[in-house]
Amino acid sequence: DAGITQSPRHKVTETGTPVTLRCHQTENHRYMYWYRQDPGHGLRLIHYSYGVKDTDKGEVSDGYSVSRSKTEDFLLTLESATSSQTSVYFCAISVGGAGEKLFFGSGTQLSVL
Amino acid sequence: AQSVTQPDIHITVSEGASLELRCNYSYGATPYLFWYVQSPGQGLQLLLKYFSGDTLVQGIKGFEAEFKRSQSSFNLRKPSVHWSDAAEYFCAVVLLLKAAGNKLTFGGGTRVLVKP
Repeated sequence: DAGITQSPRHKVTETGTPVTLRCHQTENHRYMYWYRQDPGHGLRLIHYSYGVKDTDKGEVSDGYSVSRSKTEDFLLTLESATSSQTSVYFCAISVGGAGEKLFFGSGTQLSVL
Repeated sequence: AQSVTQPDIHITVSEGASLELRCNYSYGATPYLFWYVQSPGQGLQLLLKYFSGDTLVQGIKGFEAEFKRSQSSFNLRKPSVHWSDAAEYFCAVVLLLKAAGNKLTFGGGTRVLVKP
């Protein structure tokens, strides 16, 4: 599992509340990613990071922000959760040079009511 | 923009039968191609990848995939499926960014059901 931990594993929240998901890695990898998984859409990239304080948007970044103040932690924040953000969120790290072998965390099931 | 299409949403196959999952991509250059598998309630696991060279690549769990440039395809195959192969399979393409890391674009996935 390349030392990836996501927390929480499950969360239920109400519309309009802020939510932060945490991804923690133990192996000092440079590249980290947040994806959301929805039926029929596969995985879609929300944001990614290529170093401490270096982040960029993915294809579905609206309504999300990220922060990476240290190598091991990559935080995903929903500033004001909406029902359309109900999803399973996966964190991933990229291992090894230019080749893209991603290791994924176990996911966070988020329900916004 | 790059895109990945998996035409089959669901496939049902009998145990012991062969399996082929289709993947088509749209990308200007030769892409880096991947197949991932996701078991229920789990994250994704890399099955195999193609970067260059031999167009037939071998992966884990007895899977192989063939890159066909003329068809923009990267189909996944297994000669004889096992009940444990029931899972969702994702094809993915990587777009190289400058120095800012590489991000994968995933297809919508194909869910494989295995009948006894």
